[in-house]
Amino acid sequence: LAKTTQPISMDSYEGQEVNITCSHNNIATNDYITWYQQFPSQGPRFIIQGYKTKVTNEVASLFIPADRKSSTLSLPRVSLSDTAVYYCLVGPYKAAGNKLTFGGGTRVLVKP
Amino acid sequence: ETGVTQSPTHLIKTRGQQVTLRCSSQSGHNTVSWYQQALGQGPQFIFQYYREEENGRGNFPPRFSGLQFPNYSSELNVNALELDDSALYLCASSVPGQGTNYGYTFGSGTRLTVV
Repeated sequence: LAKTTQPISMDSYEGQEVNITCSHNNIATNDYITWYQQFPSQGPRFIIQGYKTKVTNEVASLFIPADRKSSTLSLPRVSLSDTAVYYCLVGPYKAAGNKLTFGGGTRVLVKP
Repeated sequence: ETGVTQSPTHLIKTRGQQVTLRCSSQSGHNTVSWYQQALGQGPQFIFQYYREEENGRGNFPPRFSGLQFPNYSSELNVNALELDDSALYLCASSVPGQGTNYGYTFGSGTRLTVV
């Protein structure tokens, strides 16, 4: 499975937009990009998934350039409750054994 | 629709002991995966069960074992506990074929402390 690199931490303020970029230089043709959010003492929660271009849902947007070697998760107008760890995952839609490979994630702290 | 339920929420064990953690899958999900998450790190895949058989395993020793029952609930057993086994143990249920997408539902985990 493709390895991902993302910043260890980011600080932001309420109402700002937060953009987290993930690098995945060796992404394979059949790999999808998925982002999970994890609050302390809780399990990860799916945020968004995409293959190319742009995907948007009620929570976030995911921007994927044409070469797919990176992706950017955009959280619009964050609030204090968006403080969490965000994980970028890359893998085939139907991974062998359905396993998810997590990296270290990006710790986002939203300040008042 | 119920989510994934794990028990107990917290547990303290002594080195060398054995522990059993339990997981009830989300309704309609027949596949269960277990993950270990050390403090400050991302979750690491332990193994997955589908139709009561192990269906994929990560880089964990045989003292980590599991079971899946006909009602799709699952157990994670760890023998000969070591201090490094202290972690948050997460259970995730899913439906086969949904891979890395929203088909995964995680429980809140069991915090295991080995002293």
